[in-house]
Amino acid sequence: GAVVSQHPSRVICKSGTSVKIECRSLDFQATTMFWYRQFPKKSLMLMATSNEGSKATYEQGVEKDKFLINHASLTLSTLTVTSAHPEDSSFYICSASPTGRWQPQHFGDGTRLSIL
Amino acid sequence: DQQVKQNSPSLSVQEGRISILNCDYTNSMFDYFLWYKKYPAEGPTFLISISSIKDKNEDGRFTVFLNKSAKHLSLHIVPSQPGDSAVYFCAANGLTGGGNKLTFGTGTQLKVEL
Repeated sequence: GAVVSQHPSRVICKSGTSVKIECRSLDFQATTMFWYRQFPKKSLMLMATSNEGSKATYEQGVEKDKFLINHASLTLSTLTVTSAHPEDSSFYICSASPTGRWQPQHFGDGTRLSIL
Repeated sequence: DQQVKQNSPSLSVQEGRISILNCDYTNSMFDYFLWYKKYPAEGPTFLISISSIKDKNEDGRFTVFLNKSAKHLSLHIVPSQPGDSAVYFCAANGLTGGGNKLTFGTGTQLKVEL
């Protein structure tokens, strides 16, 4: 089945640091990838849609200058949390799906970000 | 506006019995529905899906039923096993011009007891 790899799995860093999270589709090409955030005991909240070769599409209320997304190839998207603060601490998850209608999204294992 | 709803936050079932997880949606533009299983601190794992042209899809112990007129879908797990204990999310997708963007329900915590 389709595999999505996310790295790192956990990051702990000081306030003000920028953190980059990578999402790779290992056995398929993905023109579109998605970035989610999950708060404790809550559902997954879509942050943005990452489009290969073009700008990401951000959901309402998500700061695009805070959460920089780059989708430079058909198998890699990155999310950079810039100048992270404690309120950015969360569980970030990416997903991707093979091209075509009715293809399920497959998720990475997530990144636990903790800002001190 | 919660377009996908899972009204039961938790469900407890005995091992070997059937687990039935329910999901309701409001957007009639949704035409593809998925169920995911999630453990803490992990990404969701895809279980099974159904397109709006069908009313049932079966894969091993998992069966998804779709009632379009009621805007309702359900996931049946039979027989339930302790390893099935997890949070289950239903998700819906429609051609909104934004690619295969998913809308998730709030999840149901399933506990399968021995």
